[in-house]
Amino acid sequence: SQKIEQNSEALNIQEGKTATLTCNYTNYSPAYLQWYRQDPGRGPVFLLLIRENEKEKRKERLKVTFDTTLKQSLFHITASQPADSATYLCALGALFSGGYNKLIFGAGTRLAVHP
Amino acid sequence: NAGVTQTPKFQVLKTGQSMTLQCAQDMNHEYMSWYRQDPGMGLRLIHYSVGAGITDQGEVPNGYNVSRSTTEDFPLRLLSAAPSQTSVYFCASRPPLAGSDTQYFGPGTRLTVL
Repeated sequence: SQKIEQNSEALNIQEGKTATLTCNYTNYSPAYLQWYRQDPGRGPVFLLLIRENEKEKRKERLKVTFDTTLKQSLFHITASQPADSATYLCALGALFSGGYNKLIFGAGTRLAVHP
Repeated sequence: NAGVTQTPKFQVLKTGQSMTLQCAQDMNHEYMSWYRQDPGMGLRLIHYSVGAGITDQGEVPNGYNVSRSTTEDFPLRLLSAAPSQTSVYFCASRPPLAGSDTQYFGPGTRLTVL
């Protein structure tokens, strides 16, 4: 069955360092991958999308890589700040019948950035 | 724009009761969906709709019904609540444009079934 794995343990880093979160998947050939941020008691908020033919995507302090051979995506936050503390979800998308791209979500990794 | 709105924010039900979770969006998005989020698990798709009058089942549809009479509204009905339906429910919408797969999520409804 399709499976998405994100590190269930919280990632604790020092302010100013680079945070790296991992998303691994099996039995799946996604057309694209997305990363979302979720704060406690709130809905997920879209951050970045990377397609299967793209190796890397950047947005301000965020960088996402996508290795379809390793079946892995890495999500980096450079110069991390305490305000970056949140849970980060990865989601894989593929085209299903009817033209609707269903997303399959990982359980998320909690990031805590300490001053 | 208010984006995606959900009501209520919190709800407690007794086993066997029924209720409707409301979801509305003012972005004229064709695609809408309902997810549930449980501790240690990813968001799981319950039902989705690709436009008014068109709905389909997701990964975990049992015990839930949906309808889509307008583009704006996509209510989720619990027919006979069970403790296993205790969860946080999120509604999401997105435009049907090719290459635009960003989903916009509502704030969620936290449901407890006793």
